[in-house]
Amino acid sequence: KQEVTQIPAALSVPEGENLVLNCSFTDSAIYNLQWFRQDPGKGLTSLLLIQSSQREQTSGRLNASLDKSSGRSTLYIAASQPGDSATYLCAVNTGGFKTIFGAGTRLFVKA
Amino acid sequence: EAQVTQNPRYLITVTGKKLTVTCSQNMNHEYMSWYRQDPGLGLRQIYYSMNVEVTDKGDVPEGYKVSRKEKRNFPLILESPSPNQTSLYFCASSHGPPRDTEAFFGQGTRLTVV
Repeated sequence: KQEVTQIPAALSVPEGENLVLNCSFTDSAIYNLQWFRQDPGKGLTSLLLIQSSQREQTSGRLNASLDKSSGRSTLYIAASQPGDSATYLCAVNTGGFKTIFGAGTRLFVKA
Repeated sequence: EAQVTQNPRYLITVTGKKLTVTCSQNMNHEYMSWYRQDPGLGLRQIYYSMNVEVTDKGDVPEGYKVSRKEKRNFPLILESPSPNQTSLYFCASSHGPPRDTEAFFGQGTRLTVV
């Protein structure tokens, strides 16, 4: 059974710091991995989608990598800003219509 | 603006009183899903739909019903809500199968059953 784990559960960093959020999954047979941002009262916003054949995706200050063989993905945020404060979720699709989510990492960027 | 819209955003109800949470998308997406989010558990899939009149169970379907009579709408029905269904609910849609395309989420419905 696929399980998705995100460590740490919470993270506090000073503004300007580069940081890495981690996501691990137990079964490497995935079709894609997606990173989301969740803000209170605003639902989930898709940040990056990495297909299983890809190694990484970039969008602005965000870079997500995928290592299927080791069951890991990282979300790198460069030059963090207070506006980056949110909960970050990763989700893997295991085929068909099954998407498994991690519990998320709550990020707080201090001004 | 492309979006997934859920209503209501907040709902407090009593045990056993039937309720419906609506979900509508304006992107002509074929695939729609319902999730619930509970602290420490992440999002868990309740039901999904591949197209009009085609639905199937997710991981936690007990106590819920869905229907897909129109492509844009995918309501979630709680026939007899119980306190353990107190949760944050999200509707999502995607153009293609989730294994191929990104998902778009609504803003969530916070349900409290007393």
